[in-house]
Amino acid sequence: AQSVTQLGSHVSVSEGALVLLRCNYSSSVPPYLFWYVQYPNQGLQLLLKYTSAATLVKGINGFEAEFKKSETSFHLTKPSAHMSDAAEYFCAVSDLRGSQGNLIFGKGTKLSVKP
Amino acid sequence: NAGVTQTPKFQVLKTGQSMTLQCAQDMNHNSMYWYRQDPGMGLRLIYYSASEGTTDKGEVPNGYNVSRLNKREFSLRLESAAPSQTSVYFCASSEVGYNQPQHFGDGTRLSIL
Repeated sequence: AQSVTQLGSHVSVSEGALVLLRCNYSSSVPPYLFWYVQYPNQGLQLLLKYTSAATLVKGINGFEAEFKKSETSFHLTKPSAHMSDAAEYFCAVSDLRGSQGNLIFGKGTKLSVKP
Repeated sequence: NAGVTQTPKFQVLKTGQSMTLQCAQDMNHNSMYWYRQDPGMGLRLIYYSASEGTTDKGEVPNGYNVSRLNKREFSLRLESAAPSQTSVYFCASSEVGYNQPQHFGDGTRLSIL
């Protein structure tokens, strides 16, 4: 069965610093992977998705993620953090057990950005 | 663009009361989902509906029922609310398929006393 693990429930960076949020997946077949962002008191918004077309995926708001099969990782990065990036970030993998394509979410990483 | 609309946004119930959370989407999606979000737990799937007229259990279905009223609407019912059901509930919709992203509503914050 597929699963995702997000390392670090809380990450703090300074404004302008590199953002790195870690996600490792477990899957016996090529996975479909997603990153979502949740701002306070809002629902989840799609940042980017990996569907095997390219290993480096660019998303919205300057974020990107690189699929590394050898490391079973799909880490999210942004070169320079902005105060508006403060939010909770979720990595998810498609559940391939059924035909539906349900998502299995990681527990989330809360990003704080210091001025 | 409305996307996915959830009502109500907030609700306080007493133990044993019942209520229905409403969800509607205007994107003509076939699939709809109900999740609950608890601190440190991520999102856990309660029920989903692959298409109009079908529903299936997710990871945490106990204490809940759902109805896929039509293609647009998917409701979640708590028959006898318990304090353990205090949570934030999210509805989502998507096209069917492993590579299809889900689109989320803004959530219903439910407290059960």
